[in-house]
Amino acid sequence: GQQVMQIPQYQHVQEGEDFTTYCNSSTTLSNIQWYKQRPGGHPVFLIQLVKSGEVKKQKRLTFQFGEAKKNSSLHITATQTTDVGTYFCAGGAATDSWGKFQFGAGTQVVVTP
Amino acid sequence: NAGVTQTPKFQVLKTGQSMTLQCAQDMNHNSMYWYRQDPGMGLRLIYYSASEGTTDKGEVPNGYNVSRLNKREFSLRLESAAPSQTSVYFCASKGLAGFNTGELFFGEGSRLTVL
Repeated sequence: GQQVMQIPQYQHVQEGEDFTTYCNSSTTLSNIQWYKQRPGGHPVFLIQLVKSGEVKKQKRLTFQFGEAKKNSSLHITATQTTDVGTYFCAGGAATDSWGKFQFGAGTQVVVTP
Repeated sequence: NAGVTQTPKFQVLKTGQSMTLQCAQDMNHNSMYWYRQDPGMGLRLIYYSASEGTTDKGEVPNGYNVSRLNKREFSLRLESAAPSQTSVYFCASKGLAGFNTGELFFGEGSRLTVL
């Protein structure tokens, strides 16, 4: 079955630095979504990518969807303490239905002032 | 709007006890989901309901049952709780943005401990 892997599992960043988290699927995806979960909170939708090679930006966050639609990345520039949390990718399988998104294990981000 | 509301927020059970987690959404969404979240394992789908009147198994359905009571409500039942079911449970819903696209809206979670 479909598997979605995220690396790194844990990211310790100094405030002001950049970092990237990666998401890789064992199968071709129809779309990929990214969510952020603050400590003690619930996942909150950030963005959805649908097209091969798509790049989207949200302020300091840049999301990419690979050409083969099997991988994605989230790059954060000039990290701030508000970026603390766990970032999940969730892949929608090309052959699946009804939103059975496969979530990665997440990248937990800790920011040091 | 409240969005997705889950009850209870916290629960402690003894092994073998039963309980039902309640979920309601006020966004007129068709699809609803139950996930469990365990450390280092992300979110795993337990059951989902593509529309009112239908339910299907997800990745980890064993030990659980669900009921889509109406369009708004989707409940998750543990018939005989086991320590392995200690987890944080999230209910989510999705509108009609396409059958496998569209934003998931999550509830605040229900933290369940089975002793």
